[in-house]
Order: sequence, then C-alpha cells, then structure tokens
Amino acid sequence: DTAVSQTPKYLVTQMGNDKSIKCEQNLGHDTMYWYKQDSKKFLKIMFSYNNKELIINETVPNRFSPKSPDKAHLNLHINSLELGDSAVYFCASSLSRVTGVYEQYFGPGTRLTVT
Amino acid sequence: DQQVKQNSPSLSVQEGRISILNCDYTNSMFDYFLWYKKYPAEGPTFLISISSIKDKNEDGRFTVFLNKSAKHLSLHIVPSQPGDSAVYFCAASAKSFGNEKLTFGTGTRLTIIP
Repeated sequence: DTAVSQTPKYLVTQMGNDKSIKCEQNLGHDTMYWYKQDSKKFLKIMFSYNNKELIINETVPNRFSPKSPDKAHLNLHINSLELGDSAVYFCASSLSRVTGVYEQYFGPGTRLTVT
Repeated sequence: DQQVKQNSPSLSVQEGRISILNCDYTNSMFDYFLWYKKYPAEGPTFLISISSIKDKNEDGRFTVFLNKSAKHLSLHIVPSQPGDSAVYFCAASAKSFGNEKLTFGTGTRLTIIP
C-alpha cells in the first residue's frame, strides 16, 4: 500500500499554462506539506497544512496555491507557469502535533518541466 | 542563508567498512535533527532522528551523533552495504519555529563499492 502518493509523476507543460499536482496520504497523519527540490537539489518547504488549516507559508509566489479538501489530501495548483518553476515537487505528511514525533514521510515526487 | 550544511557532496566507501556522513548547522534554536535517505526517482525516506537532549541515537546499523557545542551531527553506517548507496540528507527543526518546518541540507551522495 502506498503511504503518500502523488499524481502525476511527470508533468511537461508550456509557459503560461495552469497545472495541478495531487497528493494523498493513507497514514492517518494530520499534517501535510509541499516541498520543492530545485536544480541544485536543495529541498525547501513551500507550504504546510494541519487539519486543513494553513500553518506554514514560505516565501512562494502567489501563483502557487495549495488546497486541502480534507486532511488526507493536499493539492498544489500553479498558475501562469514560468521556466523557473521547473523542479521536482514532493508532498509529505506527518503526525507531529499529536505525537510530538516530527518525522515526515514523503511521496515519490512530481517532476515538472516547463518549456 | 543556508542554516544546514553538508559540505561533502559525495563519499565513496568500501563495502563492509564504516560510512560517516557529516552535517553542520548554524541556528542554535534547532532542537531536533533527522537523516533521510533518497534513491533516484523516489522521495526521501526517513532513517533516524535525534533530539537535542541526547548526544547519540542508534538503530541497527545506523547511529546518529550530535555535538551541540560544535553544532555538528554525523551519521554512522556500520557495516556499509551496497543498498546503502543513495543520497543522504540531514534536516533540522525547532520548537520555536513549529517543529513541522524542516530545514534540509543539500545532501551527500554515498557510493558503496563492492
């Protein structure tokens, strides 16, 4: 059983388009995240939701909008895609606030290529 | 400003020997540290963690050491196995930032030579 899943795994699109990436976790976790890994392999947090409430919002262009319909899902919508958005996007989840255990579990990543 | 640094981008170790991966941090507010392992085309996988109240945590072949005064942690893998070949990331968090926020290093690619 896949714990944290993301779709699609690969996404190739043109500049100016709008696209979404979906994430689902079946671990019963209460917190979900989006990370971006850029060309330098630097993994950086973008957003975090706890029980559908936004708790972390790093300095990310407002073309990026996360949406959490329920605590098992966190989707990422990107408007007006730019070349610099090309990266691998990882979703993650954790049960931090309940257990005080801070390990995050990651999905397989979505490689976004903007041409 | 990179608060978590892994200064060795790569490391090669003979199978059966000890692998030592290093990580330095600059922010003294960090109080929880984690190591992740990443294979190509997969997400990072949690390996082991340590709280700042401890200086060592062991789990099977993996041991993490924390030296708070030096702001340094290391991951020891003994004995190293071919399946350990991967990129290893260290990460840190702080209660005052909300522990959910992990700050990652840039990773060290470990290659185990059979």
